[in-house]
Amino acid sequence: DAKTTQPNSMESNEEEPVHLPCNHSTISGTDYIHWYRQLPSQGPEYVIHGLTSNVNNRMASLAIAEDRKSSTLILHRATLRDAAVYYCILRDEGGSQGNLIFGKGTKLSVKP
Amino acid sequence: NAGVTQTPKFHILKIGQSMTLQCTQDMNHNYMYWYRQDPGMGLKLIYYSVGAGITDKGEVPNGYNVSRSTTEDFPLRLELAAPSQTSVYFCASSYPREQAFFGQGTRLTVV
Repeated sequence: DAKTTQPNSMESNEEEPVHLPCNHSTISGTDYIHWYRQLPSQGPEYVIHGLTSNVNNRMASLAIAEDRKSSTLILHRATLRDAAVYYCILRDEGGSQGNLIFGKGTKLSVKP
Repeated sequence: NAGVTQTPKFHILKIGQSMTLQCTQDMNHNYMYWYRQDPGMGLKLIYYSVGAGITDKGEVPNGYNVSRSTTEDFPLRLELAAPSQTSVYFCASSYPREQAFFGQGTRLTVV
């Protein structure tokens, strides 16, 4: 499986935008870029995913580089509730393979 | 909808004992997954299934077994429990090419 590289931790101030980077230089053509987050003492929850084009939903935006070797998860206005570990994952959607492999993630702290 | 339900939420197991962690989903998802998460670490994939009757090993399958006789259920069996299997276990499910939904986890301690 193609791997991702994320910073171990980041800090943000409440109500400011947050840009969480992810490098995936060995991405293949059928890999989708998924982001999940895990709040303390909870199971992971889906945030957003995309293939080539930038994506927006109610939680966040996903900006994908033109060469697809990196991407950035954007939280437009961080809240205290956004403090979590954010995981960037490549998922091969080209075949019937179903596995979803997590890396170490970025621990986001949000200061009031 | 209940989503993904895991039972039990907590359990203490003695070394050498066996137990089954239950996972059921009511979303008719094809794919189901089992992960373990050790303290302060990320999730490691144990086993996954792309449909009833089909299972495959993930990153850390040793010491575990699974079965998938129905679409809804994906139990994880621990044989001869060891202290190294103390962890939080998460089950998840999804459609192909769609987001995964996770259960709330089972916190297992082996003593």
